[in-house]
Amino acid sequence: DAGVIQSPRHEVTEMGQEVTLRCKPISGHNSLFWYRQTMMRGLELLIYFNNNVPIDDSGMPEDRFSAKMPNASFSTLKIQPSEPRDSAVYFCASSLRTGAYNEQFFGPGTRLTVL
Amino acid sequence: RKEVEQDPGPFNVPEGATVAFNCTYSNSASQSFFWYRQDCRKEPKLLMSVYSSGNEDGRFTAQLNRASQYISLLIRDSKLSDSATYLCVVNEYSGGGADGLTFGKGTHLIIQP
Repeated sequence: DAGVIQSPRHEVTEMGQEVTLRCKPISGHNSLFWYRQTMMRGLELLIYFNNNVPIDDSGMPEDRFSAKMPNASFSTLKIQPSEPRDSAVYFCASSLRTGAYNEQFFGPGTRLTVL
Repeated sequence: RKEVEQDPGPFNVPEGATVAFNCTYSNSASQSFFWYRQDCRKEPKLLMSVYSSGNEDGRFTAQLNRASQYISLLIRDSKLSDSATYLCVVNEYSGGGADGLTFGKGTHLIIQP
């Protein structure tokens, strides 16, 4: 079975450009999470969705960041305009939420570098 | 503010030795606890859940101390393949799926031959 799929795996862009990160969760999973990981701050939850509905976006750093989940099999995280401090690894994760805690499965991540 | 604190290490340990590291959490309402493992330049993966009574999975033992608000991970007979970063994860909610997860910054473990 395919795991969580993320694209692109690497992205290098210049400050001010728009960046779109994509995620395909594991089929059948109903929760999707976007994380950002840096050496300084570790792994931070940006936003998560349950059944395609955003539940908590309190981790989104600022208005330059937006996330959508138009259907159960696709989500995007957009940064516009990008800044050098946005450089990080962005992970998408999915889980099957059935009440008790369910394991989150992470994608391979997108390594973003903003010059 | 939710905080999960870990010693970043690195812990340099000879192969075959036993190593243990702790993690403290600030929110006394936290309900469930986990250890994730992250290899270099890879994604985190669930290693094991941590139950109140403590639990063991092969060479790995996890303990929870609610009174002192810390969890621990013990690795016996360490292998070279155990070299990784171990992330402590705390869930604030009970039975709420994976909402409210807070990750520690991780403890870096290096097993030396």
